[in-house]
This record gives sequence, structure tokens and C-alpha cells, in this order.
Amino acid sequence: AQSVTQLDSQVPVFEEAPVELRCNYSSSVSVYLFWYVQYPNQGLQLLLKYLSGSTLVKGINGFEAEFNKSQTSFHLRKPSVHISDTAEYFCAVRMVRNTGNQFYFGTGTSLTVIP
Amino acid sequence: NAGVTQTPKFRVLKTGQSMTLLCAQDMNHEYMYWYRQDPGMGLRLIHYSVGEGTTAKGEVPDGYNVSRLKKQNFLLGLESAAPSQTSVYFCASSYVGHPNEKLFFGSGTQLSVL
Repeated sequence: AQSVTQLDSQVPVFEEAPVELRCNYSSSVSVYLFWYVQYPNQGLQLLLKYLSGSTLVKGINGFEAEFNKSQTSFHLRKPSVHISDTAEYFCAVRMVRNTGNQFYFGTGTSLTVIP
Repeated sequence: NAGVTQTPKFRVLKTGQSMTLLCAQDMNHEYMYWYRQDPGMGLRLIHYSVGEGTTAKGEVPDGYNVSRLKKQNFLLGLESAAPSQTSVYFCASSYVGHPNEKLFFGSGTQLSVL
């Protein structure tokens, strides 16, 4: 079963417009949620994470995400995007298994910022 | 700081050939992971390790083997490469339970199997 679902495979948005990238997860146990960004021809970098505490998490480059337990969502938002935000964004969840911790990733959302 | 280092960065194999991808981390992390990234499928976990001498299967382990003989190294092996294994492979490491918990990724290995 898919642990992390990113419904939007591609999101085009004009520069300085707001953006929301959606992420839903499926788990009946405590989860730890992450957003990673991948710029062209590079590895993945952490944008932000939710481990516990406040449900509104702020990350780097002006991004933020809100953990919503009732809707099992962890959507990523930015009020005003820049050209440099063009990249692939991955939502991930860490689940605790009896064999250890595993990180599962969504299929990614390609964000394209249009001048 | 080196972080997570993957070698090689690029490789082309013929069907049936074998090879080993090396991942090394210098952060004393307990956990190490191998992922493959394919268009439209995101990152899928192949195998992972929770400590020296231990390994476990992830989502897509078939056709791959791993070994963690030393804490800092995690090797991914392809015994008989197939075109379906053409992909970009990422190694990652982490410590768990720390306030700064996150995955540290290598820069990737692009593998083509002809």
C-alpha cells in the first residue's frame, strides 16, 4: 500500500504567485513527515520536517507545511515563489517497523515557476 | 565535510554483468539506505541497514544484494544486471531520535544497463 501520496505530478505557477504542493500519508501509527527538494542533477536536500510539537513547520527558502492529523496531510506552501524554486519536491514519511526505521517517499511534484 | 559519498557517479553495464556501488558516510550514522529513482515513481527503497552487520529489505529488493561490514560503508550489488535496473541510485544515511534528524543523501549514481 502506498504510504505517501502526492497527487500533483506537475505544478506550473507564475513567479511571485503562491503555491501549495499536496501530500497525504497513510499510517495508523505515529509518523514523522518530511519535505525534500531536488534541483536538477543534484541529490535531495531537506526543506522541513515534522517530528512533534507545533503542527505548522517552517523550513528553508520561505517554505512552510502544516501537519493535519485528521486529514492525514502535510501540504507544502509558499506565499510567493521565485524562479529559483523550480525543482522536484518529494514528501516523505518515516515509519517505525520491527526491522527498523524506514523512509518512504512520494512520487514527487515537479514545480515549474514561470517568469 | 564529506558527508555521504557515492562511487562511481556514472556506469554503463551490459545485461548480465555485475557491479558494486559503494556508499561511505563519515557522520557515524547508524542507519543507511539505498534508493532508486525512476521518472514518475519517486524514490523507492531497495535495502537498508540499521547498524553494522545488519541489513533489511525495502520496497524493491529483488535483483540486489547489500552488505554493511563496516559502519561507515554500505555496498549495493547487482549480480546480473538487467535493463530494468537502469536508474539513478541514491544512498542516504541518518541518525534517529535526534532533534536534527534527517536523511543525508549522496549525489547519486547514474546506471545504464544495455
